[in-house]
Amino acid sequence: DAKTTQPPSMDCAEGRAANLPCNHSTISGNEYVYWYRQIHSQGPQYIIHGLKNNETNEMASLIITEDRKSSTLILPHATLRDTAVYYCIVRVASGYSTLTFGKGTMLLVSP
Amino acid sequence: GAVVSQHPSRVICKSGTSVKIECRSLDFQATTMFWYRQFPKQSLMLMATSNEGSKATYEQGVEKDKFLINHASLTLSTLTVTSAHPEDSSFYICSAGDSYSNQPQHFGDGTRLSIL
Repeated sequence: DAKTTQPPSMDCAEGRAANLPCNHSTISGNEYVYWYRQIHSQGPQYIIHGLKNNETNEMASLIITEDRKSSTLILPHATLRDTAVYYCIVRVASGYSTLTFGKGTMLLVSP
Repeated sequence: GAVVSQHPSRVICKSGTSVKIECRSLDFQATTMFWYRQFPKQSLMLMATSNEGSKATYEQGVEKDKFLINHASLTLSTLTVTSAHPEDSSFYICSAGDSYSNQPQHFGDGTRLSIL
């Protein structure tokens, strides 16, 4: 079973910030929070990951609460091409460990 | 960045045919690759973990004789769907991570398999 909880769907207006929440109350001390997204009929795309500090890259920002029980992925200026299913996953940082996908959040960006 | 290439992107074939799907890591070595299956409107389900030079590890309910996995090199894993039937029609996706670093896994673009 996935160890994360996400809302099934969210809407966002183009150009506005999209804030996608994720609850992971049972996260272990050595587990990272990973975010991937899947555009229709494509393989998942890596977005960002973090352990306890906030992270930012060219795609998004990741805000992790101090107790690490929840996080928020922020797309600062959503575009139509950001419409996708977003998956929040917790796992240890290793090339050997698996990714367990939940149902994710379907983000619809509208004009 | 890391790239994973998957081929073919789409296959349509008759029932009873065996289909081979390739997954390559293009700029890193992957001692471990993963194979997923995704049915319409569902999430990705892990089928098996492919280990270079040894047998694959299959998830519960996945038939190892049906889904043959070969990982003969550090950059190539293959999944062969043997004697495919219509119920095997699905979206098959592979992923790989650099086994010598903590970089995240990356995914191929998937293979849409349709069995008539």
